[in-house]
Amino acid sequence: EMQLVESGGGLVQPGGSLRLSCAASGFTFRSFEMNWVRQAPGKGLEWVSYISFDNSIYYADSVKGRFTISRDNAKNSLYLQMNSLRAEDTAVYYCARDDRSGYYYKTFDMWGQGTVVTVSS
Amino acid sequence: DIVMTQTPLSLSVTPGQPASISCKSTQSLVHSDGKTYLYWFLQRPGQSPQLLIYEVSNRFSGVPDRFSGSGSGTDFTLKISRVEAEDVGVYYCVQSIQLRTFGQGTKVEIK
Repeated sequence: EMQLVESGGGLVQPGGSLRLSCAASGFTFRSFEMNWVRQAPGKGLEWVSYISFDNSIYYADSVKGRFTISRDNAKNSLYLQMNSLRAEDTAVYYCARDDRSGYYYKTFDMWGQGTVVTVSS
Repeated sequence: DIVMTQTPLSLSVTPGQPASISCKSTQSLVHSDGKTYLYWFLQRPGQSPQLLIYEVSNRFSGVPDRFSGSGSGTDFTLKISRVEAEDVGVYYCVQSIQLRTFGQGTKVEIK
């Protein structure tokens, strides 16, 4: 069964750091582009970051310079290093896969269950 | 940056009746490769989002045929031909021609 499982969320003080992980299984992880998407409490979805299979990387302006996305294809894992955290970073963080393996490009075709990050003193 | 605007922001529908959600982008979503990078998602209460429609009008695996997507350029529409109870949730349009941007979401409830 194909799945994505996030971990690493928790409570952190403003200015602190946290590292999120996303474990992939059931598919050839190294062949897929990956994203982080977040959802603040009671709010809509916000794209955070993208990494291609060959490590091209992009960030939303709201996290640029503070967050770092990375992947370890040998471990079938995606990561998000979050530094200088702010209250407004409080959200559920999802990892989501892009599938361009066929003719069509299927953005966010698979999602994890999410991990909760709370930034508060 | 591309901004995605959805209307309406909420919708109350009688079961069996149709529903329609509009999504407009501030820039064309047509790529030089000829594809249009517009997607629709449903987030049911308490669940992760799920892909419904990719590249404007293609239903994702397992999505019922009562869901359809249409549009071109900057104007797009998601239609549900006959709303069912399981269709309750928040619907989002997303563009991926330039990074990724979500619409604000449209909350669909049953009357």
